[in-house]
Amino acid sequence: DTGVSQDPRHKITKRGQNVTFRCDPISEHNRLYWYRQTLGQGPEFLTYFQNEAQLEKSRLLSDRFSAERPKGSFSTLEIQRTEQGDSAMYLCAGGLAGPDTGELFFGEGSRLTVL
Amino acid sequence: AQSVAQPEDQVNVAEGNPLTVKCTYSVSGNPYLFWYVQYPNRGLQFLLKYITGDNLVKGSYGFEAEFNKSQTSFHLKKPSALVSDSALYFCAVRLNYGGATNKLIFGTGTLLAVQP
Repeated sequence: DTGVSQDPRHKITKRGQNVTFRCDPISEHNRLYWYRQTLGQGPEFLTYFQNEAQLEKSRLLSDRFSAERPKGSFSTLEIQRTEQGDSAMYLCAGGLAGPDTGELFFGEGSRLTVL
Repeated sequence: AQSVAQPEDQVNVAEGNPLTVKCTYSVSGNPYLFWYVQYPNRGLQFLLKYITGDNLVKGSYGFEAEFNKSQTSFHLKKPSALVSDSALYFCAVRLNYGGATNKLIFGTGTLLAVQP
């Protein structure tokens, strides 16, 4: 158990619906990352926050995706007008800023299935 | 652009034998390198990292990895495999700190299967 929780663990939705995932990282972790993982692939970077500021977004993150981290604690990832191609595992990870750190602490993920 | 390659989709090894899971990287500058393991229906777990110093780094569960700058490799090793080591292993690289985002770039993963 890494101490990072994600909710819901599984979500099945119909194409066109909106979904929202929540991540609660370890409280000391000032950096929070969202990744997406599809079958047979490694995790792909989506976006990251340092405290409440969203500092980088991948080109994978279309305008249907939005992420927030109000107050620098928990984070949400919303997908609007879902498409079948959005089906994937969405992973959240926390970490610390600093030159000698780098390991991330991952949650167990939120699996999205779009029908 | 920085990238990581794991040339083997699957590695099969008998319990008690040594194992190696291969990883090569491409990055400008000094890399930070990581290995993570993913068990079924579980999140990724950190195994070990190389930042600087000794080329041989030791990590969790008896795993170690050797950094080879000339070959741009960071292979994961274990002297004696256990059936419980069977899992999906990911190599990852990060740009050296210097204003970078600290994001990790992952390889495609290698499935390790240890036969009893």
